[in-house]
Amino acid sequence: QQQVKQSPQSLIVQKGGISIINCAYENTAFDYFPWYQQFPGKGPALLIAIRPDVSEKKEGRFTISFNKSAKQFSLHIMDSQPGDSATYFCAATISSNTGKLIFGQGTTLQVKP
Amino acid sequence: KAGVTQTPRYLIKTRGQQVTLSCSPISGHRSVSWYQQTPGQGLQFLFEYFSETQRNKGNFPGRFSGRQFSNSRSEMNVSTLELGDSALYLCASSPEGRTEAFFGQGTRLTVV
Repeated sequence: QQQVKQSPQSLIVQKGGISIINCAYENTAFDYFPWYQQFPGKGPALLIAIRPDVSEKKEGRFTISFNKSAKQFSLHIMDSQPGDSATYFCAATISSNTGKLIFGQGTTLQVKP
Repeated sequence: KAGVTQTPRYLIKTRGQQVTLSCSPISGHRSVSWYQQTPGQGLQFLFEYFSETQRNKGNFPGRFSGRQFSNSRSEMNVSTLELGDSALYLCASSPEGRTEAFFGQGTRLTVV
């Protein structure tokens, strides 16, 4: 029940295209859902996050869509650029249980020029 | 503002030895969490410290331990190292009362 399932494992997108990564969770107590971006040799960097009281959050080219009833959330990268090539992780946590993020397995995104 | 600083960046240890990793959080952050990242298991939560007290613990054996000092700096220790402990160990800090976690660059531990 603590798992977060992420798909696809890898993704190849043409420059200018839309990248979509999906995550699903079981624990309905989760109330904070961040996405992290990780480049080789670096630690994960917080990209964008959402709470279940909203269905969508947009920051620049990055959008999170959240479906509470389906217990799913997804990251959309619009106008994907080669510089977006990285590994993306979704995560979930219970706010009162701070510090304990449950991560998905990660998606390696390659954006071709 | 300086980010989360982890030292050392790289370590090579022999099976059976012990190792101590250090983490300095972002100034003003009192919560520090540790994660293990491996290709097979992904990112797994080890433990979290707040105000020098362990507030949360993941499912790792007792060989993994940590502590936090009064200046919020944290250390984690792994005793009796095993080959399977080879991983990237990541530290994250969070502002008090907030859920956002900011990660350091990690310490790459190789056990031979």
